Amino acid sequence: LAKTTQPISMDSYEGQEVNITCSHNNIATNDYITWYQQFPSQGPRFIIQGYKTKVTNEVASLFIPADRKSSTLSLPRVSLSDTAVYYCLVGDGGANNLFFGTGTRLTVIP
Amino acid sequence: DSGVTQTPKHLITATGQRVTLRCSPRSGDLSVYWYQQSLDQGLQFLIQYYNGEERAKGNILERFSAQQFPDLHSELNLSSLELGDSALYFCASSQRQGAPHNEQFFGPGTRLTVL
Repeated sequence: LAKTTQPISMDSYEGQEVNITCSHNNIATNDYITWYQQFPSQGPRFIIQGYKTKVTNEVASLFIPADRKSSTLSLPRVSLSDTAVYYCLVGDGGANNLFFGTGTRLTVIP
Repeated sequence: DSGVTQTPKHLITATGQRVTLRCSPRSGDLSVYWYQQSLDQGLQFLIQYYNGEERAKGNILERFSAQQFPDLHSELNLSSLELGDSALYFCASSQRQGAPHNEQFFGPGTRLTVL
């Protein structure tokens, strides 16, 4: 079962690029990597999903190396509203458990 | 608004009691997931249903059970409640059940307090 490891917390100044890395050493062939954002007392919200190489959408980029044992969520030019907990999720949505990582608490500083 | 609804928003009960949490998925979504989030355990996957059938099981206690009905809404039943069951319970839905792992849409959660 693919479990994940993330830094517990990160601080960043407004306007900077933030990179959050997730380790998933035993990721399976069918597993996708998904990142979610969660604000206090709210349900997590989907940010981005990928299988390999690089994926980019309007809010973030996801970098996945060839061995897929890790992934990096990149948030360009963060603002105060990006202060939240970010979760890395690895799974195929099927019989395997859907493991959320420990989550990374990002604090954006003015 | 994710389109997923959960009721009730808050629930306060006593140890030993039984409660039922309800979830209505987004229109068209066949898969429902239940999660528990407490301060010391983080976000824990409990169970997944797809079109009425159980598809994946996580760290769900034997005192807990769930089902998905023909209209696709789901209920999570928690019995013999203990103080440690106090947590936020989230429901999420997605269109499909398997790979590629589909985006999950989370509801606002039910905050359960066991006194």
